[in-house]
Amino acid sequence: DAEITQSPRHKITETGRQVTLACHQTWNHNNMFWYRQDLGHGLRLIHYSYGVQDTNKGEVSDGYSVSRSNTEDLPLTLESAASSQTSVYFCASKRNLDTEAFFGQGTRLTVV
Amino acid sequence: QKEVEQNSGPLSVPEGAIASLNCTYSDRVSQSFFWYRQYSGKSPELIMSIYSNGDKEDGRFTAQLNKASQYVSLLIRDSQPSDSATYLCAVLNAGGTSYGKLTFGQGTILTVHP
Repeated sequence: DAEITQSPRHKITETGRQVTLACHQTWNHNNMFWYRQDLGHGLRLIHYSYGVQDTNKGEVSDGYSVSRSNTEDLPLTLESAASSQTSVYFCASKRNLDTEAFFGQGTRLTVV
Repeated sequence: QKEVEQNSGPLSVPEGAIASLNCTYSDRVSQSFFWYRQYSGKSPELIMSIYSNGDKEDGRFTAQLNKASQYVSLLIRDSQPSDSATYLCAVLNAGGTSYGKLTFGQGTILTVHP
C-alpha cells in the first residue's frame, strides 16, 4: 500500500547541531507539507512544496529549511537546533491542492 | 482573531450520548473543510470532509457546514469510549499564494466515559 513515512520517530539532539528529519511518500503526490505540533498551538505550518524544486515558507519557518529534489521526499533541516524547536513534527502530503492531506506518523524531537 | 477556532474543551460526554464539536473560521472564501481525529501519541487521521452547505453523514459522524455563518461542526452520535481523542478542524486556504494550505484549529479534546 502507498504510504507516507517519517524517520526517525524519536530524536534527541544538542543545541546548535544540524538535524534533518526525513519524509517519504509513495503516493506520487506533488504537494507535501511539514507541520509542528505544540501544546496550545495546534498544528502550525513550517514549509511546504507543490512540486520538485518548489519550496515555500509557512507561518513558522525561521530556523528551518526544506529541499525537494524528487517527488517522493521532502526532508526538513534544522540548521542550528534550539530548545524552542523541541516539538512533534508531522509531514503530510495531498494529491490535489483542494483535497485532504494525509499525515506521517510523526517525529518527536527533543533539543537539549 | 485566530483564523480557525474550535470550542475550547475539553469535552466530556457519557457513552451513548451525542458529542458536538464546533469550529469557526475567518476566511470567507474558504470552500473545503475537514475534520481529523488524533489519538494521543498518534498522527491526525481524516474522518470527514465537507464542501457544501448542509449536512454530510458517514456512519455515526455528521459534519455540518454553514458558509454564511462561517461555521462547521462535527456531531458524533452514540459516542463510544474509543471516540476519546483530540478532534482537529482544518480549513483549506482558498486564495492567492495561500491556496492549497490547510489551517488547523487548536483542537478539542473529547473524552467519552462509560
